[in-house]
Amino acid sequence: QVQLQESGPGLVKPSETLSLTCTVSGGSISPYYWSWIRQPPGKGLEYIGYISYTGSTNYNPSLKSRVTISVDMSKNQFSLRLTSVTAADTAVYYCVRDLGIALAGPSFFDYWGQGTLVTVSS
Amino acid sequence: IVLTQSPAILSLSPGERATLSCRASQNVSNYLGWYQHKPGQTPRLLIYDASNRATGIPARFSGSGSGRDFTLTISGLEPEDFAVYYCQQRGIWPPLFGGGTKVEIK
Repeated sequence: QVQLQESGPGLVKPSETLSLTCTVSGGSISPYYWSWIRQPPGKGLEYIGYISYTGSTNYNPSLKSRVTISVDMSKNQFSLRLTSVTAADTAVYYCVRDLGIALAGPSFFDYWGQGTLVTVSS
Repeated sequence: IVLTQSPAILSLSPGERATLSCRASQNVSNYLGWYQHKPGQTPRLLIYDASNRATGIPARFSGSGSGRDFTLTISGLEPEDFAVYYCQQRGIWPPLFGGGTKVEIK
């Protein structure tokens, strides 16, 4: 059974960089697409971006200038960096695995981490 | 693109039929899915590509629609079905979720 677990600081200061890592167990990074999704308190789900097992990436245009997703195949991990954070970036951040039905890019998400709350505050 | 879910809240009793709507502002073909989200749990994929049940999803959950209008039907609500339901499209970049429909016990 595939399991995903997010890790990283729960509190980040405004203007600093949010960094999270997702560790995948029970399965391999290859040959899937891996994404980050967030949910601000009391709001809906927002797609952040993805990385494939080959290292290709794409990001939500609303966040593109601030987001980097990377993968470490040797550790079965992928990571999220979000720069210049503000209070609007306070959210539960989920790492997810793609269902794998699209010819390219993400489709739907069948495995989710438990989510980690990141609060942006001084 | 915008995904509009209606109603925002659906109050029903166990055993009743639930009909949830998701309307896209642009044509997304059949590239629409549905998730169930309970408090303290992770979202669970129910339906993908409009009408395909994900692995392990009970037959009481069904999806229909294409283009801009989609429906999730729960044929007879079980106690564990009371939750928030989100639709999500993959037809236009980036993937986008609707605002959710809360199915609550009447």
